[in-house]
Amino acid sequence: SAVISQKPSRDICQRGTSLTIQCQVDSQVTMMFWYRQQPGQSLTLIATANQGSEATYESGFVIDKFPISRPNLTFSTLTVSNMSPEDSSIYLCSVVRTANYGYTFGSGTRLTVV
Amino acid sequence: GENVEQHPSTLSVQEGDSAVIKCTYSDSASNYFPWYKQELGKGPQLIIDIRSNVGEKKDQRIAVTLNKTAKHFSLHITETQPEDSAVYFCAVFMDSNYQLIWGAGTKLIIKP
Repeated sequence: SAVISQKPSRDICQRGTSLTIQCQVDSQVTMMFWYRQQPGQSLTLIATANQGSEATYESGFVIDKFPISRPNLTFSTLTVSNMSPEDSSIYLCSVVRTANYGYTFGSGTRLTVV
Repeated sequence: GENVEQHPSTLSVQEGDSAVIKCTYSDSASNYFPWYKQELGKGPQLIIDIRSNVGEKKDQRIAVTLNKTAKHFSLHITETQPEDSAVYFCAVFMDSNYQLIWGAGTKLIIKP
């Protein structure tokens, strides 16, 4: 399975600022996703990161708030913009190998907004 | 769209006993069902999965059963150990967009 390096692992940020989370994969993957996981809850899909084109956002998530870049098949970034305390959460990137449906997750970024 | 329900939300078992977590789904066309374990401070990790062409799959102390007619699948952990304490998520894979639909999670507590 793919190995994912996600940075930073945690951060404490001031409200109104932005944080960019990086996700680096050790091999080329077609599908890459960004999730949010609020404390004690399940995973919620934010968007699908598309290589070379705009990300596809799920209902309730917009590009202005969560801009995503995916310049190649091994790297993606998620920015959480103009943060408020409600954005405090764990953010996870994941990749899937379409051949066998195998999903792999990064270790997550624990974000606290104060 | 697909809907996944997972029960129980919390499960406390004595070390050495068995634990069973059950999920039901709504889309009869679904054909891939993974289970993930998430430890504190980590991302979810795949522990076992099953495809619709089999009814049961086993890997040491972990097994998954699938009943396609009833649209439910279950995770079975035997001889539970302290390191089994974690949150477990079931999921259903969507062929149309390669996305996973997640259950709400089960917090498994192993009592010494």
